[in-house]
Amino acid sequence: GAVVSQHPSWVICKSGTSVKIECRSLDFQATTMFWYRQFPKQSLMLMATSNEGSKATYEQGVEKDKFLINHASLTLSTLTVTSAHPEDSSFYICSALFLAGGLLQETQYFGPGTRLLVL
Amino acid sequence: DQQVKQNSPSLSVQEGRISILNCDYTNSMFDYFLWYKKYPAEGPTFLISISSIKDKNEDGRFTVFLNKSAKHLSLHIVPSQPGDSAVYFCAASGTGTYKYIFGTGTRLKVLA
Repeated sequence: GAVVSQHPSWVICKSGTSVKIECRSLDFQATTMFWYRQFPKQSLMLMATSNEGSKATYEQGVEKDKFLINHASLTLSTLTVTSAHPEDSSFYICSALFLAGGLLQETQYFGPGTRLLVL
Repeated sequence: DQQVKQNSPSLSVQEGRISILNCDYTNSMFDYFLWYKKYPAEGPTFLISISSIKDKNEDGRFTVFLNKSAKHLSLHIVPSQPGDSAVYFCAASGTGTYKYIFGTGTRLKVLA
């Protein structure tokens, strides 16, 4: 259980184009999803929190107009990198919050990640 | 300011021996801690978690210890296997938030 998928797994695009990445919770509903970015040999940096049916909450320093997040259903969140530039090249990872209920605490389950290369 | 730190960037352990990965945190408001395992170009895989009301949690070969007074947690893997070779991240979150703060990771190499 608690499987999260991400699509595409990798994408190469030209500078100036927009790229959409999908994150799906396959066997549970997730009112909250998260988007992270990881640079080589560095930690995961939280970009934004995606809440179903409401606006995403962005971390300090993350441009909301650059990274558009839409959480239209309980199993799908999308991240669109608008007008991508080479500096946006990175590994983007989403996670979905699994609420076990009862005394068990929540756990984020991660997708496999999307490698973006902007030429 | 790095609120969650993993001071050892790498660790090598012989197969069958114990692997001990350490993590320190500075924010006393953190009350939930997790360990994830990550292979290159993949998303992190959840391993084990611990709430601040406990000082130990065990799941198979994995045990997490929490020392709240020292703001320190550790992950013990015993016995270590070559398939355990990966980067391990600890993460922490506080009451009222589901956001995780991740450490910088420790690369574990288990030698056959």
